[in-house]
Amino acid sequence: QKEVEQDPGPLSVPEGAIVSLNCTYSNSAFQYFMWYRQYSRKGPELLMYTYSSGNKEDGRFTAQVDKSSKYISLFIRDSQPSDSATYLCANGGGSNYKLTFGKGTLLTVNP
Amino acid sequence: DAGITQSPRHKVTETGTPVTLRCHQTENHRYMYWYRQDPGHGLRLIHYSYGVKDTDKGEVSDGYSVSRSKTEDFLLTLESATSSQTSVYFCAISDPTVNSYEQYFGPGTRLTVT
Repeated sequence: QKEVEQDPGPLSVPEGAIVSLNCTYSNSAFQYFMWYRQYSRKGPELLMYTYSSGNKEDGRFTAQVDKSSKYISLFIRDSQPSDSATYLCANGGGSNYKLTFGKGTLLTVNP
Repeated sequence: DAGITQSPRHKVTETGTPVTLRCHQTENHRYMYWYRQDPGHGLRLIHYSYGVKDTDKGEVSDGYSVSRSKTEDFLLTLESATSSQTSVYFCAISDPTVNSYEQYFGPGTRLTVT
């Protein structure tokens, strides 16, 4: 069983839409959750980071963790064409500082 | 961007030849990682290092070896390249003294094995 599951999409939305990206994870002991954004032919860049449960907001982006359902979400408000990218969720914990990544969701925001 | 460079950025090689990829950081981070990224598989950890000369295997380590003789450099070697190792390779770094799990990635190396 893959430890982090993510719908690969692709997801296509009009500019200004609210986007919801989701992942599920299996290891309840891992309490670190990351969202990365990866533009085409670039390296992943860290977008949001949360520890344990709850919400974290940064501008138009909100990361949410629901530990009861092992569900992590990234919401993008007022989406822009520049948000078009692949979004990767990741989960980590334990003493070896490793992350397990989902396969990524390809998002296209159409002008 | 975090100070991470990878070299070469692109490489085409033939089956059976050895290949070494280099990751160089200027952040003095303790942890370094090598991943490969393939369609349908996402990012998969090959090897990682938790200090100079301290390395361990990831989930897809077969056919790869690593070395770290200095804090700033982490080398990934394909001893005898195979077509299945055609991929995009990313290096990442993290610093447990600041935040254990935030990893910062390099720009990637696109490797083609013919």
